[in-house]
Parts: sequence; C-alpha cells; structure tokens
Amino acid sequence: GAGVSQSPRYKVAKRGQDVALRCDPISGHVSLFWYQQALGQGPEFLTYFQNEAQLDKSGLPSDRFFAERPEGSVSTLKIQRTQQEDSAVYLCASSPTGVLSYTFGSGTRLTVV
Amino acid sequence: QQQVKQSPQSLIVQKGGISIINCAYENTAFDYFPWYQQFPGKGPALLIAIRPDVSEKKEGRFTISFNKSAKQFSLHIMDSQPGDSATYFCAASMGKRNEKLTFGTGTRLTIIP
Repeated sequence: GAGVSQSPRYKVAKRGQDVALRCDPISGHVSLFWYQQALGQGPEFLTYFQNEAQLDKSGLPSDRFFAERPEGSVSTLKIQRTQQEDSAVYLCASSPTGVLSYTFGSGTRLTVV
Repeated sequence: QQQVKQSPQSLIVQKGGISIINCAYENTAFDYFPWYQQFPGKGPALLIAIRPDVSEKKEGRFTISFNKSAKQFSLHIMDSQPGDSATYFCAASMGKRNEKLTFGTGTRLTIIP
C-alpha cells in the first residue's frame, strides 16, 4: 500500500484481556517504530526494529508489552493483561534505510474498560 | 524527564497572521529536529526538519529558526490559513546514532477567519 496501515483502528478491551495490534509498514521500509500517544500528549517512543531485529525496546513501559517483527515486514505489538493506564493511541511508523523522517500510520485507539 | 519543552499549549491566530510555536531541548546530543502536524484521527505527518548546522530553514509558508547556543528552535507559519488548524509537535533525535524521536507536548493551533 501507499502508506503505513494499522489495524484495528479501534479496540475496546476489558481490563485483564490480552490485545494484539498490527502494523503493515510501507513496502521495503527497513526501520519500524512503535509509539504510544496518550490523550492530549505527544507520542512517546516504545520500541524500534531494523528489519527483524529489535534494536531498542527501552520505551516499553512494562513486561506486559511485547513487540515482534519476525519476517522484517509486518509488526505486532502485544499487550498482556491490559490495564486502564494502557488506554492510548498506538502509532506505528516506518522509514527506509538512513532516512530520519518517517511515515506514521493513523494509529490504533485502545480503550481499556 | 521531559527533554523537549513546547509552548504555547494552544494558540489562536487570525487568518493571514503569523503563527509561532517554540521548543527548547536539554540533550546536546540531539542533532535532528523535525516538526510534525497532526489532524484529529490521523498520525503525525512530517512538516519540515532542520539539522543544527543551519540557523534557519524555509519551505513554502513554514520556517524553522534554530538557536544552537540557547538550545531552542521555533516554527513560524506565515499567512496562516484555516486549513493549518491542527496540533503541531516539535521533536528531536540523535540522528543516525539513535533514530527514535522525543516529542514535545504539542500545540493546538486554531486559525480564525
């Protein structure tokens, strides 16, 4: 596709439920990023992949958060035992090699009730 | 620790006027400073970016001014239009050393007729 695609667009989860958020980056983009954006705030870095290698996961808030990109294209962000504070928009972005400006998807809005 | 501080939180400008948003950073290792524009329900989109070896960069109606010694940079939108109404985020990264972006808290800009 022409842009970064994220699914689902909206997700409502009961507290304690596990969720999986999907990101389809732009074809051929080597770098992939996940960000968390709370309401009225700027995006905050979660994790970064270069191809299938997870090079930085310093932003993951707890061990309930896990991300993977097994074949170097599609990525999944998994949140186990969701809590209310996990409610946010989860943004995925991708970029080609050596390009600092990346393209964001429209995000997945997660609401934990 | 908020490494990029952004002001004002909200801004109302008359059509045709100049919109000015300011950011300050703390980490002197930052060497790439983009501005992103975000519309409701969409991901951030790159507007313009600057490296610290120049003091100003202009693209159409958008200009970044950069003051390395003061660790400050600003976005100027000339001839502001109603279509510019959006939330604007400044950001910073360490470039190729570490591509993750640290975002400011955002400025909600409203352009009134």
